[in-house]
Amino acid sequence: QSLLTQPPSVSAAPGQKVTISCSGSSSNIGNTYISWYQQLPGTAPKLLIYEDNKRPSGIPDRFSGSKSGTSATLGITGLQTGDEADYYCGSWDFTLSAEVFGGGTKLTVL
Amino acid sequence: QLQLQESGPGLVKPSETLSLTCTVSGGSISSTGYHWGWIRQPPGKGLEWLGNIYYTGSSNYNPSLTSRVTISVDTSKNQFSLILTSVTAADTAVYYCARRKTHLNWFDPWGQGTLVTVSS
Repeated sequence: QSLLTQPPSVSAAPGQKVTISCSGSSSNIGNTYISWYQQLPGTAPKLLIYEDNKRPSGIPDRFSGSKSGTSATLGITGLQTGDEADYYCGSWDFTLSAEVFGGGTKLTVL
Repeated sequence: QLQLQESGPGLVKPSETLSLTCTVSGGSISSTGYHWGWIRQPPGKGLEWLGNIYYTGSSNYNPSLTSRVTISVDTSKNQFSLILTSVTAADTAVYYCARRKTHLNWFDPWGQGTLVTVSS
């Protein structure tokens, strides 16, 4: 079981907005940064959001990150079929002294 | 730009040792402020962190695997390596190497990954 909990799947229509949640605890999200990764089918994960809400160069502003307490949210607006992918949250857990990832959320753009 | 490339055998027999190398190009593995990590993904499943290493050789590992995992670094070759002993079918996965920003909990970039199958 992942220490970071994500919904297994979300879906929305093209052009719509979707949010993906990542729930943790004071041992991880509540006391350190979270990052988000996009994994397109058959490819390696790619950094999408870092340090809770920052976007790497080249990531469109349709992608956003936020955090409140022990939970974080990835938001995607103006959905495109090319956004269909698995999305993972990641953080550090101070109790385990380990990197932890959420179980992943599969986004379907209907 | 910085690129990482995993290399090593794609097939390992049960009870034997898995050995992979990650070659860093376009930058120095001795850059301060960055660790270098290994993450794996079993087929159809999520991401599992294996461990990180700093260019000085300081390392930390996933507590669930610490007895079987060793990560080392060779700054002269700009490479770091993963050793996983006593493998079983449960170790079949795509293995990724990635650069980690120290203290800030993000990995970027990632290598393309290499599939390692454990089978006799």
